[in-house]
Amino acid sequence: DTEVTQTPKHLVMGMTNKKSLKCEQHMGHRAMYWYKQKAKKPPELMFVYSYEKLSINESVPSRFSPECPNSSLLNLHLHALQPEDSALYLCASSQGQGDEQFFGPGTRLTVL
Amino acid sequence: AQSVTQPDIHITVSEGASLELRCNYSYGATPYLFWYVQSPGQGLQLLLKYFSGDTLVQGIKGFEAEFKRSQSSINLRKPSVHWSDAAEYLCAVGLPTDSWGKLQFGAGTQVVVTP
Repeated sequence: DTEVTQTPKHLVMGMTNKKSLKCEQHMGHRAMYWYKQKAKKPPELMFVYSYEKLSINESVPSRFSPECPNSSLLNLHLHALQPEDSALYLCASSQGQGDEQFFGPGTRLTVL
Repeated sequence: AQSVTQPDIHITVSEGASLELRCNYSYGATPYLFWYVQSPGQGLQLLLKYFSGDTLVQGIKGFEAEFKRSQSSINLRKPSVHWSDAAEYLCAVGLPTDSWGKLQFGAGTQVVVTP
């Protein structure tokens, strides 16, 4: 199984809502990533988890809160988002150093 | 400064014609190199990767890439484009010294295929 799954596909939320994005992989990869992608731009790295520990936070605002409950799951908890946070959120996984990243289909987030 | 450059923002090609997409990098050592394709609103799919060895790399969907160390480039090619190849193509670089497998992406090249 070389698939990374993400749910939901689409999410619309208000600025006062709390929601979560979910990502799952069953390839035994030790590293998992969250990216944010705005239209016509490359993905921007947000967080890296390695062996279920947060290894990198690319200065992401605290209204985004990642969580890695186990080696296969990665969540991104959202609270008090702004309209400019509307984007495609991509999850990826890899074996880590030097390995390619496998991407999920993304969650299209709209913040009203 | 370390960088990945895709000089062409947008390329239009006729169906059946050949396609070449450029990617240049600026790093102290030869990094790991990747080409990804992204259809609108979708995730990224790996087309091919170069770590070392043979400078001509075969990928999926009929794509290949040629690595040129002297030019710090890895250009993506396809001999005959199909309408389904219309998409965004992203070059990415990873450093062998980076423990977390981080990638730096180029800005991407939008490919439009005309009949």
